[in-house]
Amino acid sequence: GIQVEQSPPDLILQEGANSTLRCNFSDSVNNLQWFHQNPWGQLINLFYIPSGTKQNGRLSATTVATERYSLLYISSSQTTDSGVYFCAVEKSGGSNYKLTFGKGTLLTVNP
Amino acid sequence: ETGVTQTPRHLVMGMTNKKSLKCEQHLGHNAMYWYKQSAKKPLELMFVYNFKEQTENNSVPSRFSPECPNSSHLFLHLHTLQPEDSALYLCASSQNFGPIEQYFGPGTRLTVT
Repeated sequence: GIQVEQSPPDLILQEGANSTLRCNFSDSVNNLQWFHQNPWGQLINLFYIPSGTKQNGRLSATTVATERYSLLYISSSQTTDSGVYFCAVEKSGGSNYKLTFGKGTLLTVNP
Repeated sequence: ETGVTQTPRHLVMGMTNKKSLKCEQHLGHNAMYWYKQSAKKPLELMFVYNFKEQTENNSVPSRFSPECPNSSHLFLHLHTLQPEDSALYLCASSQNFGPIEQYFGPGTRLTVT
């Protein structure tokens, strides 16, 4: 099946810093989502971005489908940004619903 | 609040118990999913339902039994579980099948003693 690798696995920031999280995938995709899992387990949708660039407030994401990677940018980080960030993809020509998740990046933002 | 609710949020059960997890989506979606998130492992898809019909059973042991009475509700019936089944169980929904967004509930944290 498709492989999803996220980096870095752990990241510690001071409040106000910027960061970039990366997601590499091993095959062409027709679905890519970024999620934030808060400390209580809730997965929050951040971006649906199989290609291109999107921005939402302090967050933005870029997917370069031809090179099989996606980046999530967090600017002016806040303590509430802490949690695990997951990238999930669906292989092109696949089942049309089977999201494969990476192992996540654990982000800790200190005050 | 994603429009997907799950109950209970926490559950502790013995290996001989029978319990059920409930998921309800208020988004008018037609597809629903069960995922399992174990410690230090990626989320794993367990079951998929499209218009109440099961379309995927991802090699899940029979001690997990899903039920989808309608497009808004999804259950996961549990019986004779093992301690290694302790995990966060997440429900998700999407408008239809296809490469579109899935929305997740808050999860049920299950502990099997």
